[in-house]
Amino acid sequence: QSALTQPPSASGSPGQSVTISCTGTSSDVGGYNYVSWYQQHPGKAPKLMIYEVSKRPSGVPDRFSGSKSGNTASLTVSGLQAEDEADYYCSSFAGSRGLIFGGGTKLTVL
Amino acid sequence: EVQLVESGGGLVQPGGSLRLSCVGSGFTFSGYWMTWVRQAPGKGLEWVATIKQDGSEKYYVDSVKGRFSISGDNAKNSLYLQMNSLRADDTAVYYCARPGYYHAFDIWGQGTMVTVSS
Repeated sequence: QSALTQPPSASGSPGQSVTISCTGTSSDVGGYNYVSWYQQHPGKAPKLMIYEVSKRPSGVPDRFSGSKSGNTASLTVSGLQAEDEADYYCSSFAGSRGLIFGGGTKLTVL
Repeated sequence: EVQLVESGGGLVQPGGSLRLSCVGSGFTFSGYWMTWVRQAPGKGLEWVATIKQDGSEKYYVDSVKGRFSISGDNAKNSLYLQMNSLRADDTAVYYCARPGYYHAFDIWGQGTMVTVSS
C-alpha cells in the first residue's frame, strides 16, 4: 500500500497560518470523505485533530481546519502557537486496501 | 476515563513470535471495530489490522497477511495481535486504537515496542 504524499516539513511564525497538503488518488482521498488528521508530539501517541475531511472532535481548537479538493486534502492551522509544533499525519480510507496514512509533516513554529 | 493499555512487546529474534494485548476501559469495548497501527522508529504511521466487533471480519495490510492474526475478547475488553514469522521490518511501536468516528481513531493506547533483532 503506497502512503499518501505529504511535504516532509512546514513552518510558520506564531500567529501565522500554515497549510499542510495530503495527496492521494481517486481510490483513497478522492474517493471517500474519510480523511483524518493526527497530531503527534515526540514520544506520544497520535491525537485526532480532524475527521471526515473537515470535522473537529470535541476539545480540538477551531484554529485547526480541514478541507479536500479532488485527490488532495489539506490541514490548515491558523494563529500558530508554540504547542502546535509537532508531526502531523493524514489518513484516508482506501476501500479494500484498508486505511492509508501519509508519510507525515514536521511542523516547526519559528 | 476512557483508555487503552497495550502490553506484550519486547525483543524477539527474526522468525520468532510475539502476542500483543490491549485492554480497554471506560467504554463499551464490544461496540467498536478495533485496530492496530504501528510506527517504525523515526518513521510514519502504518495501519496493520482491524477487527469487527464480533470478530466476523478481519482486515490486514498486505505486508502482514499470513503472518499476523488479530482477535478480540469482548468479555475481557481485550484486543490481541498474534505476530508470527517476525522480520526486522516489523520493528515498531504498536498502538491499539478505537475508531470514535468512521475510519478515524479518537482513542489510542500508549504503545508497546516490538524489536526484531538477532
